[in-house]
Amino acid sequence: AQRVTQPEKLLSVFKGAPVELKCNYSYSGSPELFWYVQYSRQRLQLLLRHISRESIKGFTADLNKGETSFHLKKPFAQEEDSAMYYCALRGETSGSRLTFGEGTQLTVNP
Amino acid sequence: SQTIHQWPATLVQPVGSPLSLECTVEGTSNPNLYWYRQAAGRGLQLLFYSVGIGQISSEVPQNLSASRPQDRQFILSSKKLLLSDSGFYLCAWSVGRLREGPGRKAFFGQGTRLTVV
Repeated sequence: AQRVTQPEKLLSVFKGAPVELKCNYSYSGSPELFWYVQYSRQRLQLLLRHISRESIKGFTADLNKGETSFHLKKPFAQEEDSAMYYCALRGETSGSRLTFGEGTQLTVNP
Repeated sequence: SQTIHQWPATLVQPVGSPLSLECTVEGTSNPNLYWYRQAAGRGLQLLFYSVGIGQISSEVPQNLSASRPQDRQFILSSKKLLLSDSGFYLCAWSVGRLREGPGRKAFFGQGTRLTVV
């Protein structure tokens, strides 16, 4: 079974402060991990994926297989980062489903 | 380019009435298709996913069903709606098995706000 846990439903920080959105997963093989974001009144969209080792809008996320975590980080939060963030996991087998965590609502205050 | 269409955007239905939400994808073939429900405080819950025509996997027991009559069409249905079926339903697609590879992302529709009264 595959499972994604985001322990924080709500996270509030001030502009310019560092932010970390936690994500832990449960999967017996080698998963693919993603972060999706939903800004107000917009579609859910991909933010970044671990396979690309990319930094998008200043966000990074490192897959830690030992801790089974894929935390999303940004050193200096901006007001426009306020959104709902979902961590997601896909298994390695063909046609594996994409499983999401419960999401974290991030609010960046001025 | 690929696009995903989901309709209707908003729906108000009485308890006990049937439901049919439709999702179609253009510009790709053999996609994996998904139905999610996004509930306040409960995140994004996978309801059904499909890797091919007529192939449906259900993630949670519920009052809903899904069908895939064509390669790029995914339908969410119910024979009799319950109040608890109210929510925001999202359809999504990702590259299917004919184009395997890591980092396959999902693309989401605009969603349907269903209110059962």
